[in-house]
Amino acid sequence: NAGVTQTPKFQVLKTGQSMTLQCAQDMNHEYMSWYRQDPGMGLRLIHYSVGAGITDQGEVPNGYNVSRSTTEDFPLRLLSAAPSQTSVYFCASSYSNGVETQYFGPGTRLLVL
Amino acid sequence: TQLLEQSPQFLSIQEGENLTVYCNSSSVFSSLQWYRQEPGEGPVLLVTVVTGGEVKKLKRLTFQFGDARKDSSLHITAAQPGDTGLYLCAGTDNYGQNFVFGPGTRLSVLP
Repeated sequence: NAGVTQTPKFQVLKTGQSMTLQCAQDMNHEYMSWYRQDPGMGLRLIHYSVGAGITDQGEVPNGYNVSRSTTEDFPLRLLSAAPSQTSVYFCASSYSNGVETQYFGPGTRLLVL
Repeated sequence: TQLLEQSPQFLSIQEGENLTVYCNSSSVFSSLQWYRQEPGEGPVLLVTVVTGGEVKKLKRLTFQFGDARKDSSLHITAAQPGDTGLYLCAGTDNYGQNFVFGPGTRLSVLP
């Protein structure tokens, strides 16, 4: 099993550009989520999904879109990148929400100029 | 909004020393998890505690969940350089839907 994979590893964008961060898992997990990690602030939940076709907002959803057409994939779209979106983005998956173990991907480091 | 605080923010110790890091909140959590994150990687789960007063041991690491389920501690005995990393606590919110993460304690164990 590859676990949770994320692409790209690094990305530089100009303000106003759009892009999609890819996340895939091969563990047949129902629950997937996106976090951003900023210095001194821990991980903050952006969006999550409890299964294919179902998504919901987390703590900091503004400026991001998600969709979940398959169990395996959960892409995160930045509609119009802003410098405030410079961060490290982590995708995670688990069998369900609650006390289940979350498995994290290696992260995507994004710089918006 | 439920918030988690962690202390200390940074900790640098010598190999062989003992240490304790704390995770505190004014809110009650139904469960709490501890993760370790190494540079350039995602967090990796160390333990989940679900019962007030629960103590779990993982080799040299001892985790405790407060009786009121508002706080937790992580104690490391005889720290080793391999323990170096960012330690994050995460609580399950009131509805058991999602996790709230603390800001982390960055530990450096010097040989």
